Amino acid sequence: QIVVTQEPSLTVSPGGTVTLTCASSTGALTSGSSVDWFQQKPGQAPRALIHSTSSKYIWTPARFSGSLLGGKGALTLSGVQPEDEADYYCLLNYGGWVFGGGTKLTVL
Amino acid sequence: EVQLVESGGGLVQPGGSLRVSCAASGFTFSSHWMNWVRQAPGKGLEWVANIKQDGSERYYVDSVKGRFTISRDNAKNSLFLQMNSLRAEDTAIYYCTRDWGYWGQGTLVTVSS
Repeated sequence: QIVVTQEPSLTVSPGGTVTLTCASSTGALTSGSSVDWFQQKPGQAPRALIHSTSSKYIWTPARFSGSLLGGKGALTLSGVQPEDEADYYCLLNYGGWVFGGGTKLTVL
Repeated sequence: EVQLVESGGGLVQPGGSLRVSCAASGFTFSSHWMNWVRQAPGKGLEWVANIKQDGSERYYVDSVKGRFTISRDNAKNSLFLQMNSLRAEDTAIYYCTRDWGYWGQGTLVTVSS
């Protein structure tokens, strides 16, 4: 059973920069890996932010970017806004699909 | 505008059955893989199942294999999840998603006596 690990919680100041990571129990992610990222606010359905590791949807704010960093998937928020406070989930494909446990991002 | 609207959730006893549906509009339904994802109260997201455009391939998370069946009706732009032998741990909001970019608002399934 593959386990996908994210930081349980992170705190960032408004206007700051924060990087969330996504690690696989199978080992380092490579350029052949594909990582998706989602944002979920309380009481709402998840919203897709990033697909194929670094590609944005048309609705994704420019301050969000995706990459691979040190063998992990990474979601970087630059110039964080108060409305970015939310839960963030990554998604990996291993035949089936596996979500990470989520990162609760606090903007304080 | 892409829209996905789930329905059919409710309260069911352990061991019971329920079928949830997802009505799709605003895109060519028959051209896309579709997924079901669930979220237990206060917990994270869990992929449940997906189905290929023509229904010829279906995949499930291990915990629902043999109990849940995903299906689709391309003529009616609808996705379904038949859930049998339900357990308390199946209690969750069930979301349908197109590829991974578009999500419905979810339907709540509660398994309790």
